[in-house]
Amino acid sequence: EAGVAQSPRYKIIEKRQSVAFWCNPISGHATLYWYQQILGQGPKLLIQFQNNGVVDDSQLPKDRFSAERLKGVDSTLKIQPAKLEDSAVYLCASSPRVGEDTEAFFGQGTRLTVV
Amino acid sequence: DAKTTQPPSMDCAEGRAANLPCNHSTISGNEYVYWYRQIHSQGPQYIIHGLKNNETNEMASLIITEDRKSSTLILPHATLRDTAVYYCIVRVAGQWAAGNKLTFGGGTRVLVKP
Repeated sequence: EAGVAQSPRYKIIEKRQSVAFWCNPISGHATLYWYQQILGQGPKLLIQFQNNGVVDDSQLPKDRFSAERLKGVDSTLKIQPAKLEDSAVYLCASSPRVGEDTEAFFGQGTRLTVV
Repeated sequence: DAKTTQPPSMDCAEGRAANLPCNHSTISGNEYVYWYRQIHSQGPQYIIHGLKNNETNEMASLIITEDRKSSTLILPHATLRDTAVYYCIVRVAGQWAAGNKLTFGGGTRVLVKP
């Protein structure tokens, strides 16, 4: 079974530039998450989708971050404009929809460096 | 906010059992205990989860105290590849809906030494 795919793996941009990350979840998984992980900290949830609808974006800095999941499959996370403090690893995860206590599967992440 | 407390780091010897403690004194009756680990430069990986009974799978065992206020993850024979950050998380059972998310704390950095 293919895992969660993310691209790119690494990205370096200057502050005030924009950047986009892409995620392809495991086939059939209805729930998709984007996490931000700053060096030395645990991952922090940015946004959670159920199919193509947002169910939790309470910790997403909406003035500069946006995310979409068209057709309930792939997702993109965008930052515009980037700040130095956005330097982090951005992790995508997916999990099955059904109401069981199943686990979430994570991709390898995209490491963003803002200079 | 994370609802668990873990030691920031611990060492263990290769081939020995590694016992990772977690305190979750405010856990509710419908909350599961989950364990994930994150190896360097990789995304978190699911290990095991449980509600109140002890659980075992091919990776580890999970021991939950009778009052459910703490638990221990046991890696029976630690290898160098088990060096990682281990996260203990509590979450409500059921659908992965809003308010039911995985909230990570700082975890325990485990170093397995030869």
